Amino acid sequence: DAGITQSPRHKVTETGTPVTLRCHQTENHRYMYWYRQDPGHGLRLIHYSYGVKDTDKGEVSDGYSVSRSKTEDFLLTLESATSSQTSVYFCAISRDRPTYEQYFGPGTRLTVT
Amino acid sequence: AQKITQTQPGMFVQEKEAVTLDCTYDTSDQSYGLFWYKQPSSGEMIFLIYQGSYDEQNATEGRYSLNFQKARKSANLVISASQLGDSAMYFCATRPEDTGTASKLTFGTGTRLQVTL
Repeated sequence: DAGITQSPRHKVTETGTPVTLRCHQTENHRYMYWYRQDPGHGLRLIHYSYGVKDTDKGEVSDGYSVSRSKTEDFLLTLESATSSQTSVYFCAISRDRPTYEQYFGPGTRLTVT
Repeated sequence: AQKITQTQPGMFVQEKEAVTLDCTYDTSDQSYGLFWYKQPSSGEMIFLIYQGSYDEQNATEGRYSLNFQKARKSANLVISASQLGDSAMYFCATRPEDTGTASKLTFGTGTRLQVTL
């Protein structure tokens, strides 16, 4: 258990509304990540952070923004949700050397109607 | 760019038997890491095992072992003595192994394993 929580765990929203998902960690890890999981695609990286206010884009970043104002919190925002953003969203942290393996939060199921 | 291919969308294995889940990878990086994750029906992602590209020995973690064949670019997961609780989706993933950078994982599409009595 890497002390990662995500909120909300489930959300239904309408097309065009803004949505913010929160990831909270308790172990002071430097790196945090947001992934989305869709059938047939596995997990794909949206954005990641390598420190407070330091973020970068992943493979599928269009339509998403992130912010990290504190080490423990990493926020994912959908500025104007679309049906294609219906997905399960996972937050993760990575441990240090030598393996840098990632540990994931429980996920947030987002449905955009 | 990195790519992971898992060609088995679904597998069946009898309880107590061993099973191999296939994973091939494509990367231009000289140094990289390989990972396997388990996702039970409850949805959480569970880290199972890691193999570094320069590790000479295959990684093992309890009943899990990683059959790493670098020349063939394969990193198959072997589960010995399967249990009903092993029924889940299994994902292979890779990342470049540059130290000091983010551990950006590239995942395969997964293999669904069903353990039967």
